[in-house]
Amino acid sequence: DIQMTQSPSTLSASVGDRVTITCRASQSMSSWLAWYQQKPGKAPNLLIYKASSLQSGVPSRFSGSGSGTEFTLTISSLQPDDFATYYCQQYNSYPWTFGQGTKVEIK
Amino acid sequence: QVQMQESGPGLVRPSETLSLTCTVSGDSISSYYWSWIRQPPGKGLEWIGYIYYTGSTNYNPSLKSRVTISVDTSKNQFSLKLTSVTAADTGVYYCARAGSVPGYYWFDPWGQGTLVTVSS
Repeated sequence: DIQMTQSPSTLSASVGDRVTITCRASQSMSSWLAWYQQKPGKAPNLLIYKASSLQSGVPSRFSGSGSGTEFTLTISSLQPDDFATYYCQQYNSYPWTFGQGTKVEIK
Repeated sequence: QVQMQESGPGLVRPSETLSLTCTVSGDSISSYYWSWIRQPPGKGLEWIGYIYYTGSTNYNPSLKSRVTISVDTSKNQFSLKLTSVTAADTGVYYCARAGSVPGYYWFDPWGQGTLVTVSS
């Protein structure tokens, strides 16, 4: 299995901050990685696919990058609606696996 | 617009079988990979498995011995059965759609999720 490790587990930030979340894979993989945002009591919502492609309807302040074993999700200017938990997911090989999540909190 | 809705009992006794159904509207189930994903309370996400409309399946090895996913194309539904449940199987269960072409296996959309509690 490919293990996905996110860092940090929790991040405290203010509105307007630039935020970066890292996802590291236990083995090298292609760009088959997605990012999701989850708010309390809600299902995850797709933000990024193929490591860097922005899902339709997602604000352009979200961006993704990376390859090999290290991937990042960046929020260029944090907005009040962005306080949530973020998950990466690899679909390079079975079983598809998720990172443990990064909670973005208000500082 | 595709919508997905999970249904099934919210309480299951230990050692019994958890059964859930996902109803898909706004799209034919005769395409894509239709998945189940679960989330224990306060924890992360775990992919359970998927089914293709042909009946072809792929399961997470961690659950493979207890999981069966089936499809009913006439009702545009797919279902999950998880046998011999324990408290560790408690959580929110989501259904979700994934692409059926390599490189397109991200999950979108998702159902709203249904909480299943395993307790006597």
